[in-house]
Amino acid sequence: AQKVTQAQTEISVVEKEDVTLDCVYETRDTTYYLFWYKQPPSGELVFLIRRNSFDEQNEISGRYSWNFQKSTSSFNFTITASQVVDSAVYFCALSEANSGNTPLVFGKGTRLSVIA
Amino acid sequence: DVKVTQSSRYLVKRTGEKVFLECVQDMDHENMFWYRQDPGLGLRLIYFSYDVKMKEKGDIPEGYSVSREKKERFSLILESASTNQTSMYLCASSRDRDTDTQYFGPGTRLTVL
Repeated sequence: AQKVTQAQTEISVVEKEDVTLDCVYETRDTTYYLFWYKQPPSGELVFLIRRNSFDEQNEISGRYSWNFQKSTSSFNFTITASQVVDSAVYFCALSEANSGNTPLVFGKGTRLSVIA
Repeated sequence: DVKVTQSSRYLVKRTGEKVFLECVQDMDHENMFWYRQDPGLGLRLIYFSYDVKMKEKGDIPEGYSVSREKKERFSLILESASTNQTSMYLCASSRDRDTDTQYFGPGTRLTVL
């Protein structure tokens, strides 16, 4: 069965620090997709990235970067030089090509607080 | 840009009332989803739909029903609201089945008194 674990419930950093949010997943499928979403205080989940299981290249988008390692079943998210606007709950999610009745499984989320 | 809208940001209802939560997407997506989000439990899938007039149960369908009469609209119905249905409800849509990106609406915070 598919499962996503975000072990860090809450993280607090001072502005301009780098921070890494961990995501570990479990799946028996060889074809799957991993996602990160951001949920700011307004409540809407904002899509950040989608990565398929055949592409292990790291991704960088501005201050955001993602490290996908199949060997450790991890898809970690790093924010460089954090800003107050990065304060949010971040969710990692997994979908399998043959997902049955749960197309997308979410981790419990990590609440990031960036202090000025 | 994908846009998913939900009829209300905040809603207060009384126990036993019938409640309708509406969701509309403007991207001609095939798939639509309803989740609820509770502290400590994360997001849990209630129902989803892969096509008009089709529905599939998610992980926690009890106490809910859905309706999809038009492709762009997916309604969540609480037949007789109870206090344990107080929650944040999130609607999402996606183009393709299973592995495509889901885009979310702003959410409806429902309080049942």
